[in-house]
Amino acid sequence: DTGVSQNPRHKITKRGQNVTFRCDPISEHNRLYWYRQTLGQGPEFLTYFQNEAQLEKSRLLSDRFSAERPKGSFSTLEIQRTEQGDSAMYLCASSPVRGQGETQYFGPGTRLLVL
Amino acid sequence: AQKITQTQPGMFVQEKEAVTLDCTYDTSDQSYGLFWYKQPSSGEMIFLIYQGSYDEQNATEGRYSLNFQKARKSANLVISASQLGDSAMYFCAMREALIQGAQKLVFGQGTRLTINP
Repeated sequence: DTGVSQNPRHKITKRGQNVTFRCDPISEHNRLYWYRQTLGQGPEFLTYFQNEAQLEKSRLLSDRFSAERPKGSFSTLEIQRTEQGDSAMYLCASSPVRGQGETQYFGPGTRLLVL
Repeated sequence: AQKITQTQPGMFVQEKEAVTLDCTYDTSDQSYGLFWYKQPSSGEMIFLIYQGSYDEQNATEGRYSLNFQKARKSANLVISASQLGDSAMYFCAMREALIQGAQKLVFGQGTRLTINP
């Protein structure tokens, strides 16, 4: 049973560049979440997918951010025209529809540094 | 909206001792769920334990137990017989409803636990 995987694990980019992150959830989980975690803080919710439908987006998700989950499998999070304030850990989580409190299982995250 | 408060930025404990990490929450919901996650320096959030608001008994998972006091709105994590590998950040979280039955997690600020040999 493989867990949630994320790629890349680390990304360094220059301000103004576009970046894309990938998340592969646990195979039988149809709910997928993205969170952002800045230094010294707990993760904050960005967006939620049920299968391929993006059903909720946080106000934290500016117009420069876009997320997709084609065919309800893996998901991508793209940040356009990156800013230094985008530097953070981006975490993906998945959960089943039913289960213990609908526990969310997290991937290892992608650490983004914008120079 | 849900709110989680963790008042201990850092904790230092001797190996093999028990440790309690504090968590208080605020919600107007009658039904809710509380989670604890461990985050080592590698960054991955590892699920430890879950407590539902209607669960009659405190949750336990191996060396982890949750001291749930509903009237006080507290859900403290107890780690028994601490080990060096327990050194990490620990986050308390509560679920908050999204549409169509899904739920996001609202996290506290975390507590950095250091186990000394």
